[in-house]
Amino acid sequence: GQQLNQSPQSMFIQEGEDVSMNCTSSSIFNTWLWYKQDPGEGPVLLIALYKAGELTSNGRLTAQFGITRKDSFLNISASIPSDVGIYFCAGQLSGNTPLVFGKGTRLSVIA
Amino acid sequence: DTAVSQTPKYLVTQMGNDKSIKCEQNLGHDTMYWYKQDSKKFLKIMFSYNNKELIINETVPNRFSPKSPDKAHLNLHINSLELGDSAVYFCASSQDLDAPQHFGDGTRLSIL
Repeated sequence: GQQLNQSPQSMFIQEGEDVSMNCTSSSIFNTWLWYKQDPGEGPVLLIALYKAGELTSNGRLTAQFGITRKDSFLNISASIPSDVGIYFCAGQLSGNTPLVFGKGTRLSVIA
Repeated sequence: DTAVSQTPKYLVTQMGNDKSIKCEQNLGHDTMYWYKQDSKKFLKIMFSYNNKELIINETVPNRFSPKSPDKAHLNLHINSLELGDSAVYFCASSQDLDAPQHFGDGTRLSIL
């Protein structure tokens, strides 16, 4: 089935540093979503993107919908310990097609 | 006030048994989903229902049967459980087919 390439697989950063992760696909999507999952919990929606080129912020988080519709990135500025978790990108072509998830980026923040 | 709630949170059972997982959402959403997350944290959709109608069935074995008695509930029944069924199962819901999905906290299924 369709898969997204998400990178990096894991990151270890110092508190206060900025973080960047991205997802690429071989086919286009019309929606890109970014989720965060904490241990023992379900994924929580961070940012939703609906238009090619769209740049959206949510606090210290910024995400962009790539102009080719085949990629998206998520930036986290001034990381803090509670940013620790697994970040997933997800893309969807239409409501009748599955939401396809990347394999996740595991973020560790060293205080 | 949990938006998407699943029960049970943990399920430990023997191979060959039949079990059910329940999901309820109080968001007034039209669309509900079941996902499977494996040990490597890969999330894959199993089913989606819109207004109680099956929309997506991603080549899931017939042993898995979703049931939607109303728009607020989507239960998952699994027959003849196998070792490979061990995973975390997530329920999700969205306002409609095109809206972002909101996830429950998962049911951790372990097969002995």
